[in-house]
Amino acid sequence: DTEVTQTPKHLVMGMTNKKSLKCEQHMGHRAMYWYKQKAKKPPELMFVYSYEKLSINESVPSRFSPECPNSSLLNLHLHALQPEDSALYLCASSQDFDGDNQPQHFGDGTRLSIL
Amino acid sequence: DQQVKQNSPSLSVQEGRISILNCDYTNSMFDYFLWYKKYPAEGPTFLISISSIKDKNEDGRFTVFLNKSAKHLSLHIVPSQPGDSAVYFCAASAYGTSGSRLTFGEGTQLTVNP
Repeated sequence: DTEVTQTPKHLVMGMTNKKSLKCEQHMGHRAMYWYKQKAKKPPELMFVYSYEKLSINESVPSRFSPECPNSSLLNLHLHALQPEDSALYLCASSQDFDGDNQPQHFGDGTRLSIL
Repeated sequence: DQQVKQNSPSLSVQEGRISILNCDYTNSMFDYFLWYKKYPAEGPTFLISISSIKDKNEDGRFTVFLNKSAKHLSLHIVPSQPGDSAVYFCAASAYGTSGSRLTFGEGTQLTVNP
């Protein structure tokens, strides 16, 4: 059982829709991450939140907007996405971002399809 | 520039035998290495890790070996079971320069045949 919970598991949306992906963890972790994963490829880092503040934005297009309402929750707001944005979106968490030797724990992801 | 490489896209072994998955890296600043297992339609699951101050770490059937001079690590699974069939990702991080940012390899598909 994963300790990082992501909803929804699947999402189909049109290019003009607005939707949000949600991620929750109750491990007391202070760092949370969004990744994008295409088929047969490794996860690509999108955003890092450390202590509820955005630490890293890997030059992600503004149609992806992250939000960290509190230390347990992470959202990814989607608007005007393109077909090439179809992918598995993974959330992960770790004890904190600046600590040494800390694994990241992943959720099962949201499979996103853009029509 | 791919800093973490898994040169074998796939590996097939018989149940009960040893599976050896390999990973090479180029960045000498990496000091923490991890292995993740990924089933289809699931997120990566953390398996085992090793710090650069060690050369071996064991957890049940899984052992990770690190050879810093060769910039090489390997994951040994003994004995292999059909449930081990998955994609295995090697990952690395460099403390102090990029926090817990992970650099992943491309993955190796392991198939364990009954």
